[in-house]
Amino acid sequence: SQQGEEDPQALSIQEGENATMNCSYKTSINNLQWYRQNSGRGLVHLILIRSNEREKHSGRLRVTLDTSKKSSSLLITASRAADTASYFCATESSGTYKYIFGTGTRLKVLA
Amino acid sequence: NAGVTQTPKFQVLKTGQSMTLQCAQDMNHNSMYWYRQDPGMGLRLIYYSASEGTTDKGEVPNGYNVSRLNKREFSLRLESAAPSQTSVYFCASSEYGTGGYEQYFGPGTRLTVT
Repeated sequence: SQQGEEDPQALSIQEGENATMNCSYKTSINNLQWYRQNSGRGLVHLILIRSNEREKHSGRLRVTLDTSKKSSSLLITASRAADTASYFCATESSGTYKYIFGTGTRLKVLA
Repeated sequence: NAGVTQTPKFQVLKTGQSMTLQCAQDMNHNSMYWYRQDPGMGLRLIYYSASEGTTDKGEVPNGYNVSRLNKREFSLRLESAAPSQTSVYFCASSEYGTGGYEQYFGPGTRLTVT
């Protein structure tokens, strides 16, 4: 079964607006990563946040992690048409070598 | 550096046929993975290899076998293909399998089983 569930499943915004997507997971994790996928291509790593971190920034990306709620959010600020893609969270559970991916949020940024 | 390469890019099989998907990485990574992605879904882990010489089952291993041929190569075999195995298959690698190392993905193999 999927570990992570992203919310919303789909999101459509205007260029320049901010996009927020959420990920919930079920078990204790070592870290959580966000990936982007363009049009069925391979996934590309965006950002990693460890279980002892609460917030992390990378360029226009901001990730938060709330381990008490077992949830994470990804914020993309000042979105661009090129940000149109599917975004997935992936969790590494404690004591395993496996990453479990969520179902993804499809983001469409309208020019 | 080519990164992670996969062959073939596309494949059509008939039910019952067998085939091997090839994956190679040139980043000297220890861990390698095989995922499948069905339409509108996230990735599901089929098998992984934490290091050369080891392989382990993921979420959906039934109907598949793997071989970690050497540090660079990790192949996925479908012994008797079924329509339920129609999917896009992604290979990935990471420096280590645990500890928060990002995974690098190949371009995928689009497999149709009729």
